[in-house]
Amino acid sequence: AQTVTQSQPEMSVQEAETVTLSCTYDTSENNYYLFWYKQPPSRQMILVIRQEAYKQQNATENRFSVNFQKAAKSFSLKISDSQLGDTAMYFCAFMNDDKIIFGKGTRLHILP
Amino acid sequence: GAGVSQSPSNKVTEKGKDVELRCDPISGHTALYWYRQSLGQGLEFLIYFQGNSAPDKSGLPSDRFSAERTGGSVSTLTIQRTQQEDSAVYLCASSLAAGLNSPLHFGNGTRLTVT
Repeated sequence: AQTVTQSQPEMSVQEAETVTLSCTYDTSENNYYLFWYKQPPSRQMILVIRQEAYKQQNATENRFSVNFQKAAKSFSLKISDSQLGDTAMYFCAFMNDDKIIFGKGTRLHILP
Repeated sequence: GAGVSQSPSNKVTEKGKDVELRCDPISGHTALYWYRQSLGQGLEFLIYFQGNSAPDKSGLPSDRFSAERTGGSVSTLTIQRTQQEDSAVYLCASSLAAGLNSPLHFGNGTRLTVT
């Protein structure tokens, strides 16, 4: 069975700093997709970034980028120039066919 | 509205009562998912629909939980004889189709409190 592990329950960084959130997963599949979702206090889950496993190039969306290491089954999220609005819960998710599995999340605090 | 709509946004109920939670997916989205998020926990998969059928009900915690979807659109999650451990945020999400690299679009959830 697939599993998704986020080893950092909570993190705090100063505004404008760079922060990296860790995510590892376990699967025997070769084709799958990976996502990072953000959940601010409003509870709305927002897609931050996604990565297709067959692509070697790391996905980038403005200040958000990933470090995808397929062999190591690692999918970390880097937030550059962090902003107060980045304060939220961040969930890593694995998708294969119709199964979507989420990690337990990392609560990120951006400090002024 | 362009997004996934859930109602009610908050629900307080007494132990033993039945509750119904509603989800209106994005128009045209054929896949619909229900998740449960307990305090400090990740998202626990409950059930998903492709159209009106539910290929995977494996996440439903007990037979007190049921869900249906009609017309390939609105879905209702019903919890019978609620217990205090049912207190959580129930999130609904929809996507264009199951799999196919279709990201989930989430509603704002229903916060259920069982007293």
